[in-house]
Amino acid sequence: GAGVSQSPSNKVTEKGKDVELRCDPISGHTALYWYRQRLGQGLEFLIYFQGNSAPDKSGLPSDRFSAERTGESVSTLTIQRTQQEDSAVYLCASSFSSAGTSGYTFGSGTRLTVV
Amino acid sequence: GIQVEQSPPDLILQEGANSTLRCNFSDSVNNLQWFHQNPWGQLINLFYIPSGTKQNGRLSATTVATERYSLLYISSSQTTDSGVYFCAGGVENSWGKFQFGAGTQVVVTP
Repeated sequence: GAGVSQSPSNKVTEKGKDVELRCDPISGHTALYWYRQRLGQGLEFLIYFQGNSAPDKSGLPSDRFSAERTGESVSTLTIQRTQQEDSAVYLCASSFSSAGTSGYTFGSGTRLTVV
Repeated sequence: GIQVEQSPPDLILQEGANSTLRCNFSDSVNNLQWFHQNPWGQLINLFYIPSGTKQNGRLSATTVATERYSLLYISSSQTTDSGVYFCAGGVENSWGKFQFGAGTQVVVTP
């Protein structure tokens, strides 16, 4: 598509439930990133995929968080046993190269609310 | 990891005014981006600027990599410039992974 597409745009879930967030990058973008933004704060890096290389998972806050990407296509971010502190906007971005030479294009995000 | 400091944290401008936003890094960065997050939360990439100066309409940016800072200039501000401006530095040896600053909240009044 023309831009980075994320779904759902909003998700309300009960504490303890699992959620799955989806990101569809721009066609041809080899690199894909997940960030988290809590209300009124900056962006926290979560995970980065580049082609078929092993992902950089150094930003995942706990083992309840995991992400997958098949090739250079869609990625899913899964949060298991959600907690209230997981409430945030989850942002996905993609770019042409791992060196970031083209800069990021962000999706509109998924607003997750854990009640 | 590197620390990214943005200043000022908040800025109120009257329409038509000019302003400068600053981003300082605690260590060398190999890539740098500026973003605008509009009031609806959408992040727009303004500049990819690891060094030098770029201009795009009323916006321009300058990065002095050797001195670990970058500046974003807004000229003849408009109400549509309101939002949060973020800078992000690329972490050495981790291509593509960026450390974001806390942002500068800009409000442009008519």
